[in-house]
Amino acid sequence: DGGITQSPKYLFRKEGQNVTLSCEQNLNHDAMYWYRQDPGQGLRLIYYSQIVNDFQKGDIAEGYSVSREKKESFPLTVTSAQKNPTAFYLCASRRTSGTYNEQFFGPGTRLTVL
Amino acid sequence: DQQVKQNSPSLSVQEGRISILNCDYTNSMFDYFLWYKKYPAEGPTFLISISSIKDKNEDGRFTVFLNKSAKHLSLHIVPSQPGDSAVYFCAASGGGSQGNLIFGKGTKLSVKP
Repeated sequence: DGGITQSPKYLFRKEGQNVTLSCEQNLNHDAMYWYRQDPGQGLRLIYYSQIVNDFQKGDIAEGYSVSREKKESFPLTVTSAQKNPTAFYLCASRRTSGTYNEQFFGPGTRLTVL
Repeated sequence: DQQVKQNSPSLSVQEGRISILNCDYTNSMFDYFLWYKKYPAEGPTFLISISSIKDKNEDGRFTVFLNKSAKHLSLHIVPSQPGDSAVYFCAASGGGSQGNLIFGKGTKLSVKP
């Protein structure tokens, strides 16, 4: 059955290390998104991609990087430049045909930087 | 400046009663509004949506009302069940956002048996 997978569920890293979070979807959606959620906060957009080989910065892109080499995959790298990397990271995808389409979310990855 | 606001961080309701979650927005160009439900340590799940050409959309126990003149929408859950206890996020898109969603900070709903 179709859906979005994120791995791993929990991730621990030492300060100063880069880490890559995986996001894969088999929904055949063109658009994919990365969000960050902090306690008491809504979801804030990090990066998004409307099509393969193209992506755009969201509201809080500093310290993050992405790639979109395949339609199904949109990995997020949290670099050492990100000041407060500990957070819950959510990946989402959306069908772009038609007028109004909701985003579907993966289960999330909890990143803790020690 | 927050474009989507959920001013109540939490709401407590008795089982069987109505839950009303509110959301205000500032951008008059938003034309599509969504509600998501989220349990701790899980991704949000889509609940219900409404486009700006409507003022009401109903799906089972869930109804969303949109008041464009007041830039306000609300989610009604009737009757509320303990399994509805979660954080509810309001989101909006439109006005050149390329389908991107702007989220509120969420309201934590607790339904007590």
